[in-house]
Amino acid sequence: KNQVEQSPQSLIILEGKNCTLQCNYTVSPFSNLRWYKQDTGRGPVSLTIMTFSENTKSNGRYTATLDADTKQSSLHITASQLSDSASYICVVSDNSGGYQKVTFGIGTKLQVIP
Amino acid sequence: DTEVTQTPKHLVMGMTNKKSLKCEQHMGHRAMYWYKQKAKKPPELMFVYSYEKLSINESVPSRFSPECPNSSLLNLHLHALQPEDSALYLCASSQGGQRGQFFGPGTRLTVL
Repeated sequence: KNQVEQSPQSLIILEGKNCTLQCNYTVSPFSNLRWYKQDTGRGPVSLTIMTFSENTKSNGRYTATLDADTKQSSLHITASQLSDSASYICVVSDNSGGYQKVTFGIGTKLQVIP
Repeated sequence: DTEVTQTPKHLVMGMTNKKSLKCEQHMGHRAMYWYKQKAKKPPELMFVYSYEKLSINESVPSRFSPECPNSSLLNLHLHALQPEDSALYLCASSQGGQRGQFFGPGTRLTVL
């Protein structure tokens, strides 16, 4: 059974600090891994996407890493801002013909406080 | 255009009403999805359309009826819903290959 596990479940950090979120997965066959940011009551917004051959992908203050051997990914947020408060969801896709089957992590709820 | 749009943003309906949710994308994606998301839970897959044909129906009650009029549009028709159907309904689209899914902003549905 495909699974995506994220840790921690929740995190509180001071504004300006860095943090790292973790994602472990057992999805096969692997196609890609995306990190999404989701504000309460809104749809997920993609931050990064990585395929099997990519180790690191950056998007502004967000840097994602992928170790396909150990099936682990991390999302590092640098110089956090209050607007970073949201849920961060790790989503792993496998390619099944003409559409993608995805497995969602439960998310890490991040709260940035002043 | 790398956007999935959904209308309406919010919807309040009674249990006897008939309403529709709409989703649109102009990225040329050939797969479109409906998800239901309850608070503090990951999205749950409801339906998948691939090349305008229904590929997956995750045992969703018949009070939810999807429709794919063309490759850019996806509708979800609602009839005789229950209060427990209140949730955020997300539409997504994807292309083949390794690009993952793009999500719309969602429709917040409340059933009274």
